[in-house]
Parts: sequence; C-alpha cells; structure tokens
Amino acid sequence: GENVEQHPSTLSVQEGDSAVIKCTYSDSASNYFPWYKQELGKGPQLIIDIRSNVGEKKDQRIAVTLNKTAKHFSLHITETQPEDSAVYFCAAGNTGRRALTFGSGTRLQVQP
Amino acid sequence: ETGVTQTPRHLVMGMTNKKSLKCEQHLGHNAMYWYKQSAKKPLELMFVYNFKEQTENNSVPSRFSPECPNSSHLFLHLHTLQPEDSALYLCASSQDPGAAEETQYFGPGTRLLVL
Repeated sequence: GENVEQHPSTLSVQEGDSAVIKCTYSDSASNYFPWYKQELGKGPQLIIDIRSNVGEKKDQRIAVTLNKTAKHFSLHITETQPEDSAVYFCAAGNTGRRALTFGSGTRLQVQP
Repeated sequence: ETGVTQTPRHLVMGMTNKKSLKCEQHLGHNAMYWYKQSAKKPLELMFVYNFKEQTENNSVPSRFSPECPNSSHLFLHLHTLQPEDSALYLCASSQDPGAAEETQYFGPGTRLLVL
C-alpha cells in the first residue's frame, strides 16, 4: 500500500518568512496530492491540491511543487502570517484506491 | 463551514457504555468516510461508504459499528470501548464514489474520551 512521510513535524518561523513542508510517497501510481490545514478545534480543510500532470501550482501565498521522479511534493507558504499557524497534512491518492493516505502532519507556528 | 456537521462535538464515556456519533453532509455528496485522529499519528481511515454501501473497512475492531441509512447521514456506534480508543473522530464526504482523487470535505470532529 501507499506510505506517506511528512517533514518536519514542527516548524517555527517569524512572521513574513517563508515556510516549506515536504512529503514523500511510495506508490508511483499515486496521482493526486492535496494539502489540508487543520486549526485548533476544527477538521482538516483543503487549501491546495496538485495532480500528477503538472509540476507546480500556486494560489496567492501558497504553492505546491511535485517531483514525480523522486516521488516527493512540497508545500510553500510565503509571507507567513500568524493566522497561518495550524497543523498541515499532506496526502496522496489515486484512482485505484478508495481513500487518501495522509502524512503525520506538521505543526506550523508563525511568531509575530 | 464545510457543509459537514458532526454531533456531539465532545463525548466522555465509560468502557461499558454504548454511544453513537452522528455525521451529516449538506453537499449532495455520495461518499462518506470515518477517520480516527490520534495525537502525533496520521489520520487513520476507518470506513468508507459509497451510495450507502460500505466499500472499505480498514481492519477496524467490531466495537466500532458504522451505519449509513442514506447518502447524507453516517453514524458510528460505539460499545465496550477501550481507553486507547480516545481520539478525535472525523467524518468526511466527497462527491463521487470514494475515488481517492476526489476532494474530501471534513467535519469538525467528535473529541472522544474513554474512561
């Protein structure tokens, strides 16, 4: 089955700095890679996703890159703000599986 | 709000109790999921339902019993739980038959404590 590893487990940055979270996956058949943000007391919310036919996707301050050859993908947050503080999860999926496989999460703390 | 609601938000139960968690989605989706989220562990998929039919049971102990009476409602019946079952239980839904590339929308979760 698929295995998704996520690093780092915790990340602290100063407001305005960039933050990068990395994930690797094991199943070369995976073709869908969403990122979720989970704030305290809430369920995970999708913030951006990428499919295997593109290498990069950007939405304002958030971008995701995908390297299919190396089987890794990354989340980039620029100009971080205190409200970006949350736990971020990566996940991988494909049409052959019924559900996503999640990473273990990264707790991001943005210091004002 | 994501359109997925869960009740109760918090639950404390003894090991001999029977309780149920409820999930409702207002998105017109056809697939619903139960996940378990424990501290410092990845989300663990428990069950998947497509069009009210269970399509995946991820080796979950029988003390957890799901029920999906229609595409909008999902229950998780709990009985004789163990303290290690304490966790956040998340419900999610997606548009089409549980294909992994479909975006999943999560509810806020039920925080369960088993004493």
